[in-house]
Amino acid sequence: AQSVAQPEDQVNVAEGNPLTVKCTYSVSGNPYLFWYVQYPNRGLQFLLKYITGDNLVKGSYGFEAEFNKSQTSFHLKKPSALVSDSALYFCAVRDEGTSGTYKYIFGTGTRLKVLA
Amino acid sequence: NAGVTQTPKFQVLKTGQSMTLQCAQDMNHEYMSWYRQDPGMGLRLIHYSVGAGITDQGEVPNGYNVSRSTTEDFPLRLLSAAPSQTSVYFCASSYSGQGGETQYFGPGTRLLVL
Repeated sequence: AQSVAQPEDQVNVAEGNPLTVKCTYSVSGNPYLFWYVQYPNRGLQFLLKYITGDNLVKGSYGFEAEFNKSQTSFHLKKPSALVSDSALYFCAVRDEGTSGTYKYIFGTGTRLKVLA
Repeated sequence: NAGVTQTPKFQVLKTGQSMTLQCAQDMNHEYMSWYRQDPGMGLRLIHYSVGAGITDQGEVPNGYNVSRSTTEDFPLRLLSAAPSQTSVYFCASSYSGQGGETQYFGPGTRLLVL
């Protein structure tokens, strides 16, 4: 079964500095990888996804993620953090089941805190 | 488009009571799923459905039932609530396809079981 791991419970970064939120994956075959963000008392919102092609994926709000097959990683990045980026970030992978079914598996989440 | 809606927003139950969490979407999405979110555990999949009449179990299905009689609705039933089911529940939907479809999440239902 596919899985994702987010090794950091929390990441602190100063406003204006670059940020990275880490995600590693374990899959058989080609992975479909996602990043979602959750603001307080809200549902999750889609940020970006990797399906195939360019290893650098650009998404919403200036975020991007780099797919690295050799390191089995899909880290989320942003060149210059904003205080408003403070939220809970989830990495997810599509897990292909038998008989054409599939499901999405989420990581445990990383809380990003951007300090003014 | 209302997107994905969930009712109720908040519910308090006593141990042993039953209830149904409602989820509806108006985007004609084939794929729907239920997750629970607990501190330190992230999002865990309870049940999912790839279309009307088809459901399957996720990572933590025990204590929950689902059915999918229409494309729009995917209710989650707690037959006999337990304190361990205290959580925030999210419903999500997406198109069903060969690749990575974006999931749209509802605002969540906060459940407290006493």
